[in-house]
Amino acid sequence: EDKVVQSPLSLVVHEGDTVTLNCSYEVTNFRSLLWYKQEKKAPTFLFMLTSSGIEKKSGRLSSILDKKELFSILNITATQTGDSAVYLCAVAPYGGATNKLIFGTGTLLAVQP
Amino acid sequence: DAGITQSPRYKITETGRQVTLMCHQTWSHSYMFWYRQDLGHGLRLIYYSAAADITDKGEVPDGYVVSRSKTENFPLTLESATRSQTSVYFCASRAGTSGITDTQYFGPGTRLTVL
Repeated sequence: EDKVVQSPLSLVVHEGDTVTLNCSYEVTNFRSLLWYKQEKKAPTFLFMLTSSGIEKKSGRLSSILDKKELFSILNITATQTGDSAVYLCAVAPYGGATNKLIFGTGTLLAVQP
Repeated sequence: DAGITQSPRYKITETGRQVTLMCHQTWSHSYMFWYRQDLGHGLRLIYYSAAADITDKGEVPDGYVVSRSKTENFPLTLESATRSQTSVYFCASRAGTSGITDTQYFGPGTRLTVL
């Protein structure tokens, strides 16, 4: 059965810290991996990764994929209280015409002032 | 407004009642999805649609019905609501198959409580 596992489940840091969130997957016919940020509302898209070793970067956030070891990390540097959210990892497998996303249960990040 | 909208945003209903959650998108996206989000389970796919009049079951379809007569609308109906269907429901949409466009864009969610 396809699955996506995120760790840690939750994390508390102080402003200015750097955090690394992990996502590992076991998915047949991997196509892409996506990261979302969810505050008290809908998930919002952060990154989509399809190739190993190519870092995607947006401001203080960056992410990289390792297709050999089947994982991805999301880094946040110089954290701010506005980074507090649940970070979701999802994998899209090939197969059919659906491009369904398989979600992990998320990492809850709390950034304290 | 452009984008993807859901209505109602909050709904309280009673066991056994039928309730319909609405989803509307203005992007003309081919694909639309319904998820439910519960503590400990994350986002789970209920139903999805690849185009108008094409729908299929996801991971947890029991007790739900969908239709898609128009590209922009994808209503989700709980035929006879049960307490276990208390959840937050998200609708999402995704563009067509030109290039790799796996990104799904989510609506604001509907919080449903079944008493």
